[in-house]
Amino acid sequence: GAVVSQHPSWVICKSGTSVKIECRSLDFQATTMFWYRQFPKQSLMLMATSNEGSKATYEQGVEKDKFLINHASLTLSTLTVTSAHPEDSSFYICSARDIGNSPLHFGNGTRLTVT
Amino acid sequence: AQKITQTQPGMFVQEKEAVTLDCTYDTSDQSYGLFWYKQPSSGEMIFLIYQGSYDEQNATEGRYSLNFQKARKSANLVISASQLGDSAMYFCAMRAPFGNEKLTFGTGTRLTIIP
Repeated sequence: GAVVSQHPSWVICKSGTSVKIECRSLDFQATTMFWYRQFPKQSLMLMATSNEGSKATYEQGVEKDKFLINHASLTLSTLTVTSAHPEDSSFYICSARDIGNSPLHFGNGTRLTVT
Repeated sequence: AQKITQTQPGMFVQEKEAVTLDCTYDTSDQSYGLFWYKQPSSGEMIFLIYQGSYDEQNATEGRYSLNFQKARKSANLVISASQLGDSAMYFCAMRAPFGNEKLTFGTGTRLTIIP
């Protein structure tokens, strides 16, 4: 079945640094990928839609200069958290859909801790 | 706007019993898709079952079935013969008409299976 790989699984960084998270579709091409954020014991909230070859579409309230998204190929989207702060600590998870009416497949997520 | 409501924050069920997780939704779209995902403590989102708004029969996938009542706008997940490995968070989600692939998630239900 379709597999989405996300890396790293967890990362700890100091406040003020930037962190890049990768999301890869391993056995299918994904023109669209989605980035979600999940705070502890809460639901997944869509942050942005990543479109291959064009600018990402951000949900209301999400700072596009803070969360940079690049979708340079049909199998890779990256999320960069710039100048991270402790309040950015969260679980970030990406998803992509294969052809047809298949469900969204999710990566395993990245747990970001900013100290 | 779409909205998913899961009214059961947590449930405890005896092993081997059946369990029903509630999900109601609100949408003005005629065509939509409903999903259930399982999230173990490790964080990954595991697709369980899908129901299209025009599907006449309730979806089934092994021990999982979806009790779809369109007029009531409910899409409850039924897990038969529960197992200890079923302990996890369960999220109901909705996708807008085909072509708009974003998922809107409910707040989730934490299911704990008691041996």
